[in-house]
Amino acid sequence: EADIYQTPRYLVIGTGKKITLECSQTMGHDKMYWYQQDPGMELHLIHYSYGVNSTEKGDLSSESTVSRIRTEHFPLTLESARPSHTSQYLCAVGGGGDIQYFGAGTRLSVL
Amino acid sequence: AQSVTQLGSHVSVSEGALVLLRCNYSSSVPPYLFWYVQYPNQGLQLLLKYTTGATLVKGINGFEAEFKKSETSFHLTKPSAHMSDAAEYFCAVSLSGGSNYKLTFGKGTLLTVNP
Repeated sequence: EADIYQTPRYLVIGTGKKITLECSQTMGHDKMYWYQQDPGMELHLIHYSYGVNSTEKGDLSSESTVSRIRTEHFPLTLESARPSHTSQYLCAVGGGGDIQYFGAGTRLSVL
Repeated sequence: AQSVTQLGSHVSVSEGALVLLRCNYSSSVPPYLFWYVQYPNQGLQLLLKYTTGATLVKGINGFEAEFKKSETSFHLTKPSAHMSDAAEYFCAVSLSGGSNYKLTFGKGTLLTVNP
């Protein structure tokens, strides 16, 4: 059974639309992460959070924003989607010993 | 700064053959090391991890990896490949002691298994 839920799994949207990618976890851990992954490429950290009301930008600059109002919820928002935002977005939860557990991902396509 | 290098973006083996996926890292402190597997259209699944202690670590699906400090390597092996092993494999490193909760990933190696 999945402990990390990402919705939607697939999203095709037009340029200029506002979108929110959802990530929820039932693991009760404080640390959560968003990665961006282009096909056949490595993961790039774009946002992370160490707990409620804590958010930081990652190593890769991103036009997206995140919020962490509840421990179990870490949504990512794009105010105005562009074709350059087309990618796969992976949410992860940090456990003990620096292990990270991943959701199934959201594959975003902006037309 | 820490970094991870995976040698070979694509490895192809025959079913039943040895699988060897190479990973070298750089870190200024003793690292925590991880191997993840990603099947098409899915997230990453943890295969195995090294933190401290025994340098040969065993993971799921018959995979194992050996931490060699002198070679700064953490290569992944499996004695006999199965068709279901076809996937993308990522090596990752983290600073030890929990002082840095971020992982640095390699570019990944795509494993193809031929019948």
